[in-house]
Amino acid sequence: GAGVSQTPSNKVTEKGKYVELRCDPISGHTALYWYRQSLGQGPEFLIYFQGTGAADDSGLPNDRFFAVRPEGSVSTLKIQRTERGDSAVYLCASSLSGPTDTQYFGPGTRLTVL
Amino acid sequence: SQQGEEDPQALSIQEGENATMNCSYKTSINNLQWYRQNSGRGLVHLILIRSNEREKHSGRLRVTLDTSKKSSSLLITASRAADTASYFCATGAMNRDDKIIFGKGTRLHILP
Repeated sequence: GAGVSQTPSNKVTEKGKYVELRCDPISGHTALYWYRQSLGQGPEFLIYFQGTGAADDSGLPNDRFFAVRPEGSVSTLKIQRTERGDSAVYLCASSLSGPTDTQYFGPGTRLTVL
Repeated sequence: SQQGEEDPQALSIQEGENATMNCSYKTSINNLQWYRQNSGRGLVHLILIRSNEREKHSGRLRVTLDTSKKSSSLLITASRAADTASYFCATGAMNRDDKIIFGKGTRLHILP
């Protein structure tokens, strides 16, 4: 595609619910990244995929967070038992081959946990 | 871990003036990137400067990199209202599998 797309653009859920956030990277980009951004802060790294595998998941805050990229293209970030503190904008980015390349960001998904 | 830290945290200038933002980091890098973000949504890539480069231009943007001081600056010349945004630096990996770390950003406000 022309750019990175993310769906939904906004998600409102209740505390304790399960949510899935989707990212469609730029076609041909092997590297995909998830970030979380709170108000007034810079993007906080969550996880980085190289192809289908998670090359670095050290930024995932706890085991309620999980991400997959089964075919090396689309990725889904999954959050179980959501908490109010999970409210943030979740950003996805892709790059051609890895972190030494320019990252192209999607518009983000704004998650609100009530 | 390497981290970009921008300063100032906030900057207000008159339209037409030049705006300078700085970024400092801690460890050796492969590259440093500057991004712009409007209204808390997706980031737009501005410039990537590699560790063997000292200066790079793109339109009204000029980026410098001083690896000896572990610092970079972003200069926006002849600022416009549309430049109002948050600007982030991100330090790029030395190794293929190292992640990029973003700073907290500089919030730039262009006054009419």
